[in-house]
Amino acid sequence: QKEVEQNSGPLSVPEGAIASLNCTYSDRVSQSFFWYRQYSGKSPELIMSIYSNGDKEDGRFTAQLNKASQYVSLLIRDSQPSDSATYLCAVSLSGSARQLTFGSGTQLTVLP
Amino acid sequence: EAQVTQNPRYLITVTGKKLTVTCSQNMNHEYMSWYRQDPGLGLRQIYYSMNVEVTDKGDVPEGYKVSRKEKRNFPLILESPSPNQTSLYFCASSLDPGRLYGYTFGSGTRLTVV
Repeated sequence: QKEVEQNSGPLSVPEGAIASLNCTYSDRVSQSFFWYRQYSGKSPELIMSIYSNGDKEDGRFTAQLNKASQYVSLLIRDSQPSDSATYLCAVSLSGSARQLTFGSGTQLTVLP
Repeated sequence: EAQVTQNPRYLITVTGKKLTVTCSQNMNHEYMSWYRQDPGLGLRQIYYSMNVEVTDKGDVPEGYKVSRKEKRNFPLILESPSPNQTSLYFCASSLDPGRLYGYTFGSGTRLTVV
């Protein structure tokens, strides 16, 4: 079992809709959780981080963490074509709190 | 401008010819790391460093070496590159990646080994 799993997609949503991206992780003692956005041919860019159970909102982005169910999700409200990218989930795993382990990413396309 | 700088951006080399990819950060970050990215496999950590002269293996360290003699620099060395090391490589730095800072990534180095 992979340590961090994401649906590879592609996920397509119409402009203005809510895009929902999901990530599950296997290590129950994971500590911090991150969402990165990566445009084609570019480097990953941190867009959200979350540490505690519940929701964390930043503009159009909301990260949701449920440690009991071992999943973290990213909601993008009012999706724009400029949100089309690959979204990477990353988890700080126990035993190596200074490392980040990444999922393989979900490709999102927002259709005009 | 705060950034992580990698060089070169693109590199084509032949099997067995030693190469070094440089990485430098100007943010005074303690932590630095190298990742490789392959289609379908995502980002996999090669090595990371917690401070000067302190390095540790990531998930895929075979065939790679690193050194951290200065805080700002963290070069990746391939002593005898092989075609399976053809990949997109990212250097990253952080104040503390295990907390909410995450990593800041460089622009990437696309390596082709023929």
